[in-house]
This record gives sequence, structure tokens and C-alpha cells, in this order.
Amino acid sequence: KAGVTQTPRYLIKTRGQQVTLSCSPISGHRSVSWYQQTPGQGLQFLFEYFSETQRNKGNFPGRFSGRQFSNSRSEMNVSTLELGDSALYLCASSLDIAGRLGREETQYFGPGTRLLVL
Amino acid sequence: GESVGLHLPTLSVQEGDNSIINCAYSNSASDYFIWYKQESGKGPQFIIDIRSNMDKRQGQRVTVLLNKTVKHLSLQIAATQPGDSAVYFCAENNYGQNFVFGPGTRLSVLP
Repeated sequence: KAGVTQTPRYLIKTRGQQVTLSCSPISGHRSVSWYQQTPGQGLQFLFEYFSETQRNKGNFPGRFSGRQFSNSRSEMNVSTLELGDSALYLCASSLDIAGRLGREETQYFGPGTRLLVL
Repeated sequence: GESVGLHLPTLSVQEGDNSIINCAYSNSASDYFIWYKQESGKGPQFIIDIRSNMDKRQGQRVTVLLNKTVKHLSLQIAATQPGDSAVYFCAENNYGQNFVFGPGTRLSVLP
């Protein structure tokens, strides 16, 4: 079974631009979560989508948004990029993160998209 | 690739020795925990998980211990190998909420 895939893998943007990142979850997984990883702040939760609905949201400004399609693929968008948005953006999928028993909650990560804002 | 964390706590162990990586979690209501391994330039890789109704769970060369009284989680790696060098994260989840990740520990295996 293929793992979580993310595109693009690397991206360079300038301040003020916007960016869209894509994530394809493991086949059959319905929950997709997004994280931002930086050396200073570690892994921080952005948001989680399940059945095309945002189910959980972290503490990030409204410039960060996302959506999920009917095939569970997800995109996240960052508008008006700032230098501090430079980070590794990770996507993780699970069968269903809503507290089911056993391995259904386990999140599996993609390789990430490394974004550099100049 | 870029460092996952420039100022992470580091654990250095000799190849062949056992490693113990510790994690203090924050929410006493958390009921599910995962250990991840992250190598440079890659996403976190699942290692082992444990539910709050268990104290111990074993995998291949790894054991996770959970002490709910003091909100402490540990990952034991037996016979540590050079390929185990990475940053290790613990993650906690409280029924239906998002995962919260610890700051990570860098494991360095010495030859």
C-alpha cells in the first residue's frame, strides 16, 4: 500500500505570495492532519480534516487554510507569506482520528514539503 | 537536510547498548500515545503506540512504558544500531482531539 504523498517536495516563494500544498493520504484513510515543523517550535498542529470538514484546528492565523476533497486528498493554502512561514509542512493520515480502538487512530506521515520564504 | 531541531536534548549511546528516551506528556486525559522516529530530511515514521489502559507494550527491539501517575512515557531501544540515529518524538492524543507532540530527543549512536 502506498504511503502518504506530498507535493511539491520543495518550494521557494517570496514574501506576500501565496502557496498551495497537496497531500494524498494512504488509500482508505479518511482523516488528514497538517503540521508545521520548525527548529524553534517543533511540530505544531495546523488543522485536521475528515469527510471534507475541518474537525480540529490549531492556533494559527487565518492566512493558513485547508480543504479536503471527496477522495480524501487535502490541500493547504498559506496566503500573504511571511519569512516566518519557512518550515517543513507535514501531512499525516489516519483511518479515523476520532478515538477509535486500536490502530485506527495511528497517524502516518508523508515526507513533507519544505517551504522557503525569501 | 535541515535540522529538525537545533537545540534538542541529545542522548548519545554506544552501538550495541540499550537506549532509553523519555517524554513527559501534558494532559492527564490523554488516552493514546505514539512514538515517532524522524531522520534528517524525512517525515516522522511510526515506531510503536500504546493505549492508556496498558503500562507496557513491546515491538521489535523497542518497548514503550507508560506511567500515568506521573504522566511519563519512555521508549527503550535494545541493542542500539547506527540506523537508530534520529530524532524521536512522543505524541499524545485525547479521544477525538488532535495529537500533541513533544519537543523531541536526538539520539546519536556512537561507533
